[in-house]
Amino acid sequence: EIVLTQSPGTLSLSPGERATLSCRASQSVSSSSLAWYQQKPGQAPRLLIYGASSRATGIPDRFSGSGSGTDFTLTISRLEPEDFAVYYCQQYGSSPLFTFGPGTKVDIK
Amino acid sequence: EVQLVESGGGLIQPGGSLRLSCAASGFIVSSNYMTWVRQAPGKGLEWVALIFRGGNTHYADSVNGRFTISRDNSKNTVYLQMNNLGAEDTAVYYCARVSDVRWSYCFDIWGQGTMVTVSS
Repeated sequence: EIVLTQSPGTLSLSPGERATLSCRASQSVSSSSLAWYQQKPGQAPRLLIYGASSRATGIPDRFSGSGSGTDFTLTISRLEPEDFAVYYCQQYGSSPLFTFGPGTKVDIK
Repeated sequence: EVQLVESGGGLIQPGGSLRLSCAASGFIVSSNYMTWVRQAPGKGLEWVALIFRGGNTHYADSVNGRFTISRDNSKNTVYLQMNNLGAEDTAVYYCARVSDVRWSYCFDIWGQGTMVTVSS
């Protein structure tokens, strides 16, 4: 079973700053099957990044994903007020078929 | 417009059953993988069940044997039948479409969610 760990648990930053979120897998993950989601309070998650580095439709280019193997990163180059939310990584694997990380909350400093 | 609309949530007693519905518009359910994901209050996301294009299904260990995912192609709707519910099943249940673009298997379209509360 692949376990995803996200760090930090909470990231306190100011608008305009750069956010770097980490997702680490307990064993190697195919880059094609690593995704990132954003969730705001009371809303459904929204797909941001798929295939570790491809932006989903309509996602601004301040969001970028990178990484391979067991270490993946979501970077938000300059935080906008609407970017303060919880971010989850997710992978597709064998058993369980899909796994989510515990999430990183990005809040306003 | 491509969208998913869930319904069927509510308050149910422990040991009870509930069926959730997920009506799709703007795309054909049977041409896609479809899935259910849940989120307990204040917690993270947990994958629950998947139905493949061909109709095969797959479940998380926590619900295997109690939950059944199915679809009605004529109604373009996916269902989640939940039996023998316990307090640990209390959550918002989201329906989502699975994209397999470049073998990504990510969830590209989500419904708004429906709340299931298991309590006496």
